Amino acid sequence: EVRLVESGGGQVQPGGSLRLSCAASGFEFSGYSMNWVRQAPGKGLEWVSYIRSSSSIIYYAESVRGRFTISRDNAKNSLYLQMNSLRDEDTAIYYCARDLDGYWGFDSWGQGTLVTVSS
Amino acid sequence: QSALTQPASLSGSPGQWITISCSGTSSDIGGYNYVSWYQQHPGKAPKLMIYDVSNRPSGVSSRFSGSKSGNTASLTISGLQAEDEADYYCSSFTRSNTRVFGTGTKVTVL
Repeated sequence: EVRLVESGGGQVQPGGSLRLSCAASGFEFSGYSMNWVRQAPGKGLEWVSYIRSSSSIIYYAESVRGRFTISRDNAKNSLYLQMNSLRDEDTAIYYCARDLDGYWGFDSWGQGTLVTVSS
Repeated sequence: QSALTQPASLSGSPGQWITISCSGTSSDIGGYNYVSWYQQHPGKAPKLMIYDVSNRPSGVSSRFSGSKSGNTASLTISGLQAEDEADYYCSSFTRSNTRVFGTGTKVTVL
């Protein structure tokens, strides 16, 4: 069974940093591209970042470029999101999502971890 | 990259069909056959319902179908059932290699 489990969320002050993790199991993690997607309270989904299976290609949404860094450790079956210079508007549930192999879509999602940016 | 445009809400009676539209531009929906749709129940993670415009993952009911015409994609739910009441989001690949979601549609089963 494919399983994605996010962790690392919590409350942080504006300007602070946080590192999210996503532990993958039940599939060959090194063979899949991964994403981070977030959802502000009561709002819609927002794509945040993408990383190729080999880490060779990375993309960011304009709203987080220069502040967030996506990375992965295939040996540890883990995906990460380093978030710096956090703003109030970064408050959201952060999901890790797996790319559908060979097709376009996010076929597996974690349960999400809540990040709250507040003073 | 602006969010794709969806109607905020739609409703239908059990057994009816509804169509959710997702409007973009030639830089996203219109430029690629890379549209997917997601269902999200309250407090739950999104679930993939349609990929590559019109393909259903294994386990998704055939009552769900997807299509695209020009810069607009659509998700049709036929034979509406109570469990279909949820939020639905479209998503597309974009010219800048990013991904973009729609604004979301709340479907209510009357």
